[in-house]
Amino acid sequence: DVVMTQYPLSLPVSLGQPASVSCRSSESLVFTDGNTYLSWFHQRPGQSPRRLIYKVSNRDSGVPDRFSGSGSGTDFTLTISSVEAEDVGVYYCMQGTHWPPYTFGQGTKLEIK
Amino acid sequence: QVQLVESGGGVIQPGKSLRLSCVVSGFIFKNYAMHWVRQAPGKGLEWVAVISYDGNNQFYADSVRGRFTISRDDSKNTLSLQMSSLRPQDTAVYHCVKDDYDISGRNTPGNSWGQGTLVTVSS
Repeated sequence: DVVMTQYPLSLPVSLGQPASVSCRSSESLVFTDGNTYLSWFHQRPGQSPRRLIYKVSNRDSGVPDRFSGSGSGTDFTLTISSVEAEDVGVYYCMQGTHWPPYTFGQGTKLEIK
Repeated sequence: QVQLVESGGGVIQPGKSLRLSCVVSGFIFKNYAMHWVRQAPGKGLEWVAVISYDGNNQFYADSVRGRFTISRDDSKNTLSLQMSSLRPQDTAVYHCVKDDYDISGRNTPGNSWGQGTLVTVSS
């Protein structure tokens, strides 16, 4: 199974400041079709997860443009350009290239300093 | 709008069985694969199972294979998860998730999740 490793696991950030979460996979996530199936999810306290990004850098509908995804191969990053209060919660990366199983990172908890 | 509503959770003794359901609306259910993803209390996300749009293919996480069965009833817009030989480590909130092959070009859990139903396995 592909192991997804996120860091940091805890991310205190001041409002208005940028934030980044990193995710590394145990093998390349490039599929035979040339696409890379790496997604990012956000889970606010007490809520279901919501996907933010799919295929590394594509924002889902309604996701603010302060969220961006980047990376290739085995190393990926979710960046928030200017953190807002509603961005608190846990962020997960997930690979959908080598399934089954789909595998998630451990999660990164973002809190406001 | 897309809605997914899970039910069937509760407290169950180890070794017993339980059936979860997820009723969906707001999209053409028969056209989509569907997933179950679970989250143990205070822990991260774990993918559990997927069923193809036509019901002909199912895949499972190693941790549940042979004990859980995913199925669908397109006439009732309902996804199910039959869980047997339950263990304390199966305690989790179980979410049904709409696949989004039409967006991402590959079967993958998408951006429509139910609120989840809590299963607690305890004696």
